[in-house]
Amino acid sequence: AQKVTQAQTEISVVEKEDVTLDCVYETRDTTYYLFWYKQPPSGELVFLIRRNSFDEQNEISGRYSWNFQKSTSSFNFTITASQVVDSAVYFCALSEPFSGTYKYIFGTGTRLKVLA
Amino acid sequence: DSGVTQTPKHLITATGQRVTLRCSPRSGDLSVYWYQQSLDQGLQFLIHYYNGEERAKGNILERFSAQQFPDLHSELNLSSLELGDSALYFCASSVVVKGHSGGYTFGSGTRLTVV
Repeated sequence: AQKVTQAQTEISVVEKEDVTLDCVYETRDTTYYLFWYKQPPSGELVFLIRRNSFDEQNEISGRYSWNFQKSTSSFNFTITASQVVDSAVYFCALSEPFSGTYKYIFGTGTRLKVLA
Repeated sequence: DSGVTQTPKHLITATGQRVTLRCSPRSGDLSVYWYQQSLDQGLQFLIHYYNGEERAKGNILERFSAQQFPDLHSELNLSSLELGDSALYFCASSVVVKGHSGGYTFGSGTRLTVV
């Protein structure tokens, strides 16, 4: 069965600290996609990254980096030198192509609070 | 602006009523997905339409229905509303190229409050 687990419900850090958000997924397929989305207090879902199952390269984008490890079924997200504007709920999601549909299975989200 | 337009942004209605949420996908996207975000259920997939045809259904209640019109906009109809239907409803559109999903673009959501 497909499942995404974000075990950290809420994390609080002080500005400029590094923080890692964990995501563990379950799937039986060999082809799948993983995503991270940010939901700021305003409520919209902001796309951060997409990774397919055949690409295990880690990625860095500014202060953001992602570590994809198929061996542990994890797709963790690190924010370096956190800022108050990073305060949001972060969702990890899994998508498997099935009969032409790409529905997402979301984790329950991690609320990040960055304190000034 | 993501390019996916959802209206209205906020909706307050009474139990037992019926409402229609509207979504216009990004130009060129043929797929529309609907998701519900509630406090107890989190973000859940409701339904997927592709070029006017229903492609997949998730945990969508029988009181809920959707359709996608020839101009590709979609409507989600919620009827006999209950307090528990209060949630943020997201629409997302996507384009599929050579069988690979480019990922969704989400609208800003419609916040439904049932009183």
